[in-house]
Amino acid sequence: GAVVSQHPSRVICKSGTSVKIECRSLDFQATTMFWYRQFPKQSLMLMATSNEGSKATYEQGVEKDKFLINHASLTLSTLTVTSAHPEDSSFYICSALRDKGETQYFGPGTRLLVL
Amino acid sequence: SQQGEEDPQALSIQEGENATMNCSYKTSINNLQWYRQNSGRGLVHLILIRSNEREKHSGRLRVTLDTSKKSSSLLITASRAADTASYFCATASGSARQLTFGSGTQLTVLP
Repeated sequence: GAVVSQHPSRVICKSGTSVKIECRSLDFQATTMFWYRQFPKQSLMLMATSNEGSKATYEQGVEKDKFLINHASLTLSTLTVTSAHPEDSSFYICSALRDKGETQYFGPGTRLLVL
Repeated sequence: SQQGEEDPQALSIQEGENATMNCSYKTSINNLQWYRQNSGRGLVHLILIRSNEREKHSGRLRVTLDTSKKSSSLLITASRAADTASYFCATASGSARQLTFGSGTQLTVLP
């Protein structure tokens, strides 16, 4: 099977600090990764599409300067929440797609709490 | 933006009963996928059905797709307490391989 990991699984930070979340495809190369945000009891909302070696594509309403995405290799994408505020507290989930694949493989998620 | 709506929002059944969840979407699709999410965890891919397919089976799962009605259903037969989770449909459209998720159904299977 295809395994995707995320690190950290939980993070608590103070308002104004930056937090980096890593998403790794462990046993396959992922040319495309996706970042989602999920609020309690709600569905997943796509934040951005991360393509290896190029700039991420952000969904409408998602600030690219606040949510920095770097897809530096075929197995790693990072999401940095800059100057985090309490309203950024959420569950962040990444997924990875094989080249020409249709199925997205999801990481276990990162719960962010900003105090 | 969310494309799909799922119903029911919540479903509670007894172990051994069948559970049916429905998903509706708005635009034409390439495929529709069903995912399961246990509380506070990531998503697990269950099944993918392409736009030219009408029905697909995988173990205790049966998925149907009606593109004329822009709807899909997921049937879980002989449910188990371990099936308790949230179930989401997600659609892929056009050349993009992004998924648009439905609102989800929270299934509770009582032992």
